[in-house]
Amino acid sequence: VLTQSPGTLSLSPGERVTLSCRASQSVSSNSLAWYQQKPGQTPRLLIYGASIRATGIPDRFSGSGSGTDFTLTLSRLEPDDFAVYFCQHYGDSSWTFGPGTKVEIK
Amino acid sequence: EVQVVESGGGLVQPGGSLSLSCAASGFIFSNFAMSWVRQAPGKGLEWVSAISNGGRTYYAESVRGRFSISRDNSKSTVLLQMNSLRAEDTATYYCAKESPYPSRGSSRLYYFDYWGRGALVTVSS
Repeated sequence: VLTQSPGTLSLSPGERVTLSCRASQSVSSNSLAWYQQKPGQTPRLLIYGASIRATGIPDRFSGSGSGTDFTLTLSRLEPDDFAVYFCQHYGDSSWTFGPGTKVEIK
Repeated sequence: EVQVVESGGGLVQPGGSLSLSCAASGFIFSNFAMSWVRQAPGKGLEWVSAISNGGRTYYAESVRGRFSISRDNSKSTVLLQMNSLRAEDTATYYCAKESPYPSRGSSRLYYFDYWGRGALVTVSS
């Protein structure tokens, strides 16, 4: 089970944001990814392998963590970054998503 | 350019059946596993089913025994046959391309790199 916190964040452009994804038991970093989803759009891969940016993802997005605690950091929020962020894990032949963190404009 | 396009969504009564299709292009389809992921209105993402490049199938507990996934590598398509549908199956169903299998000696990284736009399935009387 993946837990994401907080559920919603109200922030202003330019702020730094840290999103948390916690696994109920230790997981391999190879199996941890992050996605961004905007309203009415398809999820977009941001980070895989816990810390590897996907193709075309700006370097203001970074991922870190290991074991049970993983973090997605946005160094400076831009207007285009207000969205829902999901973490994902693969294990035991199944995929699991966290419930998501909504980053909204304050 | 990689493309994944779902079709076949619609309105179905509880207990009914529906089949979704996913057409893929822009990559060597037979080399990749594919998955279906769904999202109920206003909710999060839920993995539904996967099929390996060789045809091995996997299902979420919530759909096992009711849904069936298959693929046709000659046509680069994936099918999701959904039977005994319930109101709680109402969702947008996304077809997603899985991360590549690793080279010998490497470990696989697990992620979905390409997603379709989704097909809406509504189960209601």
